[in-house]
Amino acid sequence: AQSVAQPEDQVNVAEGNPLTVKCTYSVSGNPYLFWYVQYPNRGLQFLLKYITGDNLVKGSYGFEAEFNKSQTSFHLKKPSALVSDSALYFCAVRDNPTGGFKTIFGAGTRLFVKA
Amino acid sequence: DTEVTQTPKHLVMGMTNKKSLKCEQHMGHRAMYWYKQKAKKPPELMFVYSYEKLSINESVPSRFSPECPNSSLLNLHLHALQPEDSALYLCASSQVPEGLSNQPQHFGDGTRLSIL
Repeated sequence: AQSVAQPEDQVNVAEGNPLTVKCTYSVSGNPYLFWYVQYPNRGLQFLLKYITGDNLVKGSYGFEAEFNKSQTSFHLKKPSALVSDSALYFCAVRDNPTGGFKTIFGAGTRLFVKA
Repeated sequence: DTEVTQTPKHLVMGMTNKKSLKCEQHMGHRAMYWYKQKAKKPPELMFVYSYEKLSINESVPSRFSPECPNSSLLNLHLHALQPEDSALYLCASSQVPEGLSNQPQHFGDGTRLSIL
């Protein structure tokens, strides 16, 4: 069965510092991995995805994520955090090809960036 | 602005009322989804439509009734809801049913539903 874990409920970082939001996954096949961000009173917005190829994936708003197969991780990173990055971040996984129609979301990590 | 449009943005209804949530996308996506999201929690899948046919019903109570009139529209009909049904209801779409695709889902901004 597919599963995804975000071990931190909340991450606090100062503006200008690098940030990392952690995600680990479990699938039976090859994973499709996604990061989404949700701002207050908004839907989820797609940030980036890993399908295959280069382990370092670059996405929207300066975010990137590193796929690590041996550690089954897909951590979200940004070199320099902005106050406007404060939001709720969801890691998500689909099992390829056995996952069917479902995307499994992690519990979410709330990111606070202090000025 | 999101490419998936949901109406209304807010809805307050009594437990005996009947109302509908609407979702529209014009990206040519052939898969559409309904999710329920409680505060500070991840979205929970309710229904999936693939090529206008219901593909997944995640054991959702019958007081929620989905409808997909065409490839651009998705409705969620509500009747006799309970207070615990109060939540943010999100609609999403993707290019093809996600089991065959590596494409992400596009989400609307949701309808915030309150049951009195």
